[in-house]
Amino acid sequence: GENVEQHPSTLSVQEGDSAVIKCTYSDSASNYFPWYKQELGKRPQLIIDIRSNVGEKKDQRIAVTLNKTAKHFSLHITETQPEDSAVYFCAASTDSWGKLQFGAGTQVVVTP
Amino acid sequence: DAGVIQSPRHEVTEMGQEVTLRCKPISGHDYLFWYRQTMMRGLELLIYFNNNVPIDDSGMPEDRFSAKMPNASFSTLKIQPSEPRDSAVYFCASSRTEKYEQYFGPGTRLTVT
Repeated sequence: GENVEQHPSTLSVQEGDSAVIKCTYSDSASNYFPWYKQELGKRPQLIIDIRSNVGEKKDQRIAVTLNKTAKHFSLHITETQPEDSAVYFCAASTDSWGKLQFGAGTQVVVTP
Repeated sequence: DAGVIQSPRHEVTEMGQEVTLRCKPISGHDYLFWYRQTMMRGLELLIYFNNNVPIDDSGMPEDRFSAKMPNASFSTLKIQPSEPRDSAVYFCASSRTEKYEQYFGPGTRLTVT
């Protein structure tokens, strides 16, 4: 089955700097790659996603890039703010609206 | 829309007891997912349903776990008998065909002593 690895496990950045989280996947049939943000004690919420026919997608300060050949995708957060502090999960799916395989998560801490 | 509803929000039980977690998906959603989240194992998919039919239960840890979806608006996850290692936050999520986002419920924090 699909295996998703996520790095780093923790990331500390100064407010205003950029943060990058990277994920690799094993199943070349995967075609959908969402990113979820989970604040402490809250539920995971989708922040951005990308499908395999697109190489990059941007939404305000966040962007996701996908390299299908290398089977990896990344989340980029620019101009980080304290409210960006959370755990971020990447995921991959071979059937879009079905089963997601999540990465282990990245704890992002933005210090003022 | 009320979002995905889960109950109870917190459950504390003793080892050996039966535990039932409940979920009401968003109206109109035809996919329902049960996840377990722990520090050690992260976010794991236990089982998911499409149109009330279980599609993949390969993540269910063992026979002590069972899940049902008797209708489009209700699902249960049952653990019998419960063990301390079952302590975790259990999330229910729902989505609908052709819409990719999975909407998570608030979760049930289960503690088995």
